[in-house]
Amino acid sequence: DGGITQSPKYLFRKEGQNVTLSCEQNLNHDAMYWYRQDPGQGLRLIYYSQIVNDFQKGDIAEGYSVSREKKESFPLTVTSAQKNPTAFYLCASSMDGGTQYFGPGTRLTVL
Amino acid sequence: AQSVTQLDSQVPVFEEAPVELRCNYSSSVSVYLFWYVQYPNQGLQLLLKYLSGSTLVESINGFEAEFNKSQTSFHLRKPSVHISDTAEYFCAVSEDDKIIFGKGTRLHILP
Repeated sequence: DGGITQSPKYLFRKEGQNVTLSCEQNLNHDAMYWYRQDPGQGLRLIYYSQIVNDFQKGDIAEGYSVSREKKESFPLTVTSAQKNPTAFYLCASSMDGGTQYFGPGTRLTVL
Repeated sequence: AQSVTQLDSQVPVFEEAPVELRCNYSSSVSVYLFWYVQYPNQGLQLLLKYLSGSTLVESINGFEAEFNKSQTSFHLRKPSVHISDTAEYFCAVSEDDKIIFGKGTRLHILP
């Protein structure tokens, strides 16, 4: 079964802690993306990667970091520098920068 | 830079009635256009897309969208909605190696 997975589905974090969200795909896609979704604001691009060992900042990269050591994996770390991290986080992948396919999302709540 | 405007944040419609969700984008240069659907607490699913060719594109569940280059629009329509169509719908447009999303339209189906 080809697809894109995110874990965990729900994540709780205390203020001041870093937390890492997992995103894995077995679609053999080159490009991967991280979005943040807040009610009424649509999707905002955090980081994206077109190829292994390379990534670019999106519109709201401050307080986040990523790595792309393997084609299949694109983990997102939400650092303590992100002042309002409570949100729904979506990962996506695409073959050539065109149609994107999304994972089921991770809902992060800061306690 | 591209931008996408979804004029209605919410659209209520009676079951079995027709619906149109409006989408306009900012540039008339060659683009790819998408509609995605999101059910509660899930990721986005591709509903339909326009890449080239016929300006009318259809999905498997009865939705259709028409690319209108002169009006820079890509409105989504369905002649008869069902309660299962309750979801949030996102219009999106390609830009270089990214996709720009609108803020979404929440479709409420009234019994």
